[in-house]
Amino acid sequence: AQSVTQPDIHITVSEGASLELRCNYSYGATPYLFWYVQSPGQGLQLLLKYFSGDTLVQGIKGFEAEFKRSQSSFNLRKPSVHWSDAAEYFCAVGAFSGGYNKLIFGAGTRLAVHP
Amino acid sequence: DGGITQSPKYLFRKEGQNVTLSCEQNLNHDAMYWYRQDPGQGLRLIYYSQIVNDFQKGDIAEGYSVSREKKESFPLTVTSAQKNPTAFYLCATTGQAYTEAFFGQGTRLTVV
Repeated sequence: AQSVTQPDIHITVSEGASLELRCNYSYGATPYLFWYVQSPGQGLQLLLKYFSGDTLVQGIKGFEAEFKRSQSSFNLRKPSVHWSDAAEYFCAVGAFSGGYNKLIFGAGTRLAVHP
Repeated sequence: DGGITQSPKYLFRKEGQNVTLSCEQNLNHDAMYWYRQDPGQGLRLIYYSQIVNDFQKGDIAEGYSVSREKKESFPLTVTSAQKNPTAFYLCATTGQAYTEAFFGQGTRLTVV
């Protein structure tokens, strides 16, 4: 069955430090992968996506992610975190099942940023 | 503006009541989804629909019902059979297969 695992429930970093959020997926075919960000009480905003091609993808707000097929991973990175990056981050995989397409989400990683 | 509108933003339900959450989109997207979000559990799929008059159960459909009479609308009814309905509900759409999902701003449902 398709699934997404985000091993870190909470992460705290200092402002200006680098960030890596982990995501592992289970999917039989070539995955379509996404990272979303959610501020409290809001909907989700797409940060970046991977469909094919270059395994390093750039997104909005200075984020990037690298697809590693051998590790079934799609980790999100940012070289220097800003206080406004504090939010919850979700990794998702696009799955095709029973003739329907759907997104499967990880449990999320809540990021706190210390000044 | 193009987008997804969920209403109401906050909803309070008494025990034993059915309530309906609205989701309207003007993106001309075919597929629409309902997710439930609880702290520490991420987003769990309730129902989804690829075309008008057709929808499929997701992972946690029990106690919920939907309809898709128009392409633009995908309302979710939380029935009295849903024993723990307090949660944040998100509606989403996708255009073509595997393109990004667009989300509404959510409805927070509380049982009082």
